[in-house]
Amino acid sequence: DQQVKQNSPSLSVQEGRISILNCDYTNSMFDYFLWYKKYPAEGPTFLISISSIKDKNEDGRFTVFLNKSAKHLSLHIVPSQPGDSAVYFCAAGAFNFGNEKLTFGTGTRLTIIP
Amino acid sequence: ETGVTQSPTHLIKTRGQQVTLRCSSQSGHNTVSWYQQALGQGPQFIFQYYREEENGRGNFPPRFSGLQFPNYSSELNVNALELDDSALYLCASSLSRGNTEAFFGQGTRLTVV
Repeated sequence: DQQVKQNSPSLSVQEGRISILNCDYTNSMFDYFLWYKKYPAEGPTFLISISSIKDKNEDGRFTVFLNKSAKHLSLHIVPSQPGDSAVYFCAAGAFNFGNEKLTFGTGTRLTIIP
Repeated sequence: ETGVTQSPTHLIKTRGQQVTLRCSSQSGHNTVSWYQQALGQGPQFIFQYYREEENGRGNFPPRFSGLQFPNYSSELNVNALELDDSALYLCASSLSRGNTEAFFGQGTRLTVV
């Protein structure tokens, strides 16, 4: 049972335009959500997170939006830069799981076209 | 640079063998989690250790076991290796339980032949 889904395995965006990566989840117990970026041969790098009590969180070029009623979140990157080309993972966690287990999606490979 | 280092970076083992993977967390980080990432998949939670005690486990058999040490290092042990154990193994550390940001190491690529 895939509780966190990233339905787009890949996305290509022109440099300077907006990149929008989407993520859906099924477990309403999730309290917080994170986005990680992963380059080949490296571990995931934390990008941005959002608590379930908020609907938006912004950090520089990165903004995450959360729609709890739709169980959907998205990561906006604007403007997109060539260094943003990587695999992006959406992850979710819940405080009342008793631990910090993160449930990950399968990732979206973002390619920024110069 | 996350301050989390894993060793070795690559490893080849034969089916049936045992393997130990190591992780050095950031100083002060009491919580370490291990994940398995198969090709084309997202990381899957194996288990978590908090102050040297197991604090939650995913859907992995008992032949996956771990240890956490007071010096912020930890180990993942896998016995009776199977071909399907071939994957990238990631450790992640965080400041404490309830901290929502985990810092990942670069991973150990395990190949079982």
